[in-house]
Amino acid sequence: AQKVTQAQTEISVVEKEDVTLDCVYETRDTTYYLFWYKQPPSGELVFLIRRNSFDEQNEISGRYSWNFQKSTSSFNFTITASQVVDSAVYFCALSGEEGTDKLIFGTGTRLQVFP
Amino acid sequence: EAGVAQSPRYKIIEKRQSVAFWCNPISGHATLYWYQQILGQGPKLLIQFQNNGVVDDSQLPKDRFSAERLKGVDSTLKIQPAKLEDSAVYLCASSLAALNTEAFFGQGTRLTVV
Repeated sequence: AQKVTQAQTEISVVEKEDVTLDCVYETRDTTYYLFWYKQPPSGELVFLIRRNSFDEQNEISGRYSWNFQKSTSSFNFTITASQVVDSAVYFCALSGEEGTDKLIFGTGTRLQVFP
Repeated sequence: EAGVAQSPRYKIIEKRQSVAFWCNPISGHATLYWYQQILGQGPKLLIQFQNNGVVDDSQLPKDRFSAERLKGVDSTLKIQPAKLEDSAVYLCASSLAALNTEAFFGQGTRLTVV
């Protein structure tokens, strides 16, 4: 069975601090995809990144970076120099079940960035 | 490019009543999803359409939930009769037909069953 665990329920930081959101996944598939989505108070899920299981290169996009480690089944997300606008709930998700591309979401981490 | 549109944004009903939600996906997106997000949890897939055919409805409570996607475009999700535990945000998403491509989500419909 596929499962995504986000152990951090809520994180609070002060602006300009770096913060890392943890994501651990379980799957028996050899090919799978990992995602991060941001859910601001408006409610819609905003796509941040998709990574396939064959690409373990870390990725950086502006203040965002992702660390994918197959050996520990983790796909962690770091925000550098956090800003108030980063306040949201962040979801890690997994897909790859043969025949469908449905997303299995974690329970989310609520990030609050204080000025 | 217009995003995924959903209506209504909010709905309050009494238990045992029926309710319907509407979704208009991004133009050209063949795949459409309905997710249920209970407060404090991650979204859970209810049903996935590819054009107007159902790909996965394994987690749809079929005794009370139904969904259709007419002509492979708009979709409606219905609950009849509603229960208290159906209180949640119902999210619609769409993606291109290719497997595991990025899904774009609407703002959701927040349903409260009292």
